[in-house]
Amino acid sequence: DAGVTQSPTHLIKTRGQQVTLRCSPKSGHDTVSWYQQALGQGPQFIFQYYEEEERQRGNFPDRFSGHQFPNYSSELNVNALLLGDSALYLCASSRGYEQYFGPGTRLTVT
Amino acid sequence: GQNIDQPTEMTATEGAIVQINCTYQTSGFNGLFWYQQHAGEAPTFLSYNVLDGLEEKGRFSSFLSRSKGYSYLLLKELQMKDSASYLCAVEDQAGTALIFGKGTTLSVSS
Repeated sequence: DAGVTQSPTHLIKTRGQQVTLRCSPKSGHDTVSWYQQALGQGPQFIFQYYEEEERQRGNFPDRFSGHQFPNYSSELNVNALLLGDSALYLCASSRGYEQYFGPGTRLTVT
Repeated sequence: GQNIDQPTEMTATEGAIVQINCTYQTSGFNGLFWYQQHAGEAPTFLSYNVLDGLEEKGRFSSFLSRSKGYSYLLLKELQMKDSASYLCAVEDQAGTALIFGKGTTLSVSS
């Protein structure tokens, strides 16, 4: 049984560019959440998707947007990248209370 | 506001017992999680407390006092592989988002 998968593993982008990160949830899970983890910090909640709709959003600007597909996979899009967007982006899937995290995508903005 | 506090670093020796404390002040509370995160890897689930009291799972135990806004993670018979960051996270009122502390880096030496 595959766990949560994310792609790509690493990504380097330039300020002002746009990026799309992808997540496939654990089998049987219908809810996907995205978190941003800066170096030395705990993960910060970006948003959660359920039934293809954004169910809740954290304190992130509109440059951060997402999508969930009918197969429950999800994308995180970030526009107009800033240096401060450099972080590990974690996807977590759930069905019930426990959130299972993927390995993350390390985004570096130069 | 949301505030979750845990010590930044702790050290211990193999075979010892260590207690990692977490205090929280959040606008809502639905439960408290502990996650383990090795460097460069995804957080992995350790425990979930909803009611006051102690939850034991093998070498790991977690305690919750909702009235005091306090939890701890107890690790027994420490092993070198327990060297990692330990994240305390409060589940918000909606049961949707996890609000994380900055994590406690535990170093286990022989």
